[in-house]
Amino acid sequence: AQSVTQLDSHVSVSEGTPVLLRCNYSSSYSPSLFWYVQHPNKGLQLLLKYTSAATLVKGINGFEAEFKKSETSFHLTKPSAHMSDAAEYFCVRGNAGNMLTFGGGTRLMVKP
Amino acid sequence: DTGVSQDPRHKITKRGQNVTFRCDPISEHNRLYWYRQTLGQGPEFLTYFQNEAQLEKSRLLSDRFSAERPKGSFSTLEIQRTEQGDSAMYLCASSLTAGGYGYTFGSGTRLTVV
Repeated sequence: AQSVTQLDSHVSVSEGTPVLLRCNYSSSYSPSLFWYVQHPNKGLQLLLKYTSAATLVKGINGFEAEFKKSETSFHLTKPSAHMSDAAEYFCVRGNAGNMLTFGGGTRLMVKP
Repeated sequence: DTGVSQDPRHKITKRGQNVTFRCDPISEHNRLYWYRQTLGQGPEFLTYFQNEAQLEKSRLLSDRFSAERPKGSFSTLEIQRTEQGDSAMYLCASSLTAGGYGYTFGSGTRLTVV
């Protein structure tokens, strides 16, 4: 089955420092990949999506992700963390029928 | 309201009782999805509809679960004879068929079975 693996269940950074959330996907000739964010008591929000147009994808709130086929990775980065970035982040793969397969999630904590 | 609405937000029920959740998608979206998210895990696909037709069901959807979308608009998810293992967040999402995965998720219904 096509899947995604988030390598860290928890990541803690200080405010103003870079963020790196890691994701690897199972090999496929043309994956559709996404990052979603989930704040407490709020719905999942799409940060960005990769659909083979460009390997560096820019999303909302200063996040971006780079698709690396040779490494089967789609890591999420942000140059400078804000307190408001503290949330759960999901790497997600699109499958047939527009269905999504979610990774296990990474909880990002931002220290003042 | 242009978002996906789910009702209720929270439901506490006793084991063995039946529960029903409702989802109102974005009006022009013809696809509607149900996902389940247990504590500390990512959401897992349960089922989806295109208009009123239920096109796919996950193996996670046991015989105690049934979903409907009778007029191709809102959807209901019913769980019969609830078990403690059914405790989870039930998420609804909607999209256009050709939306390129342009999902909009609702805030979910949190079910606690005691």
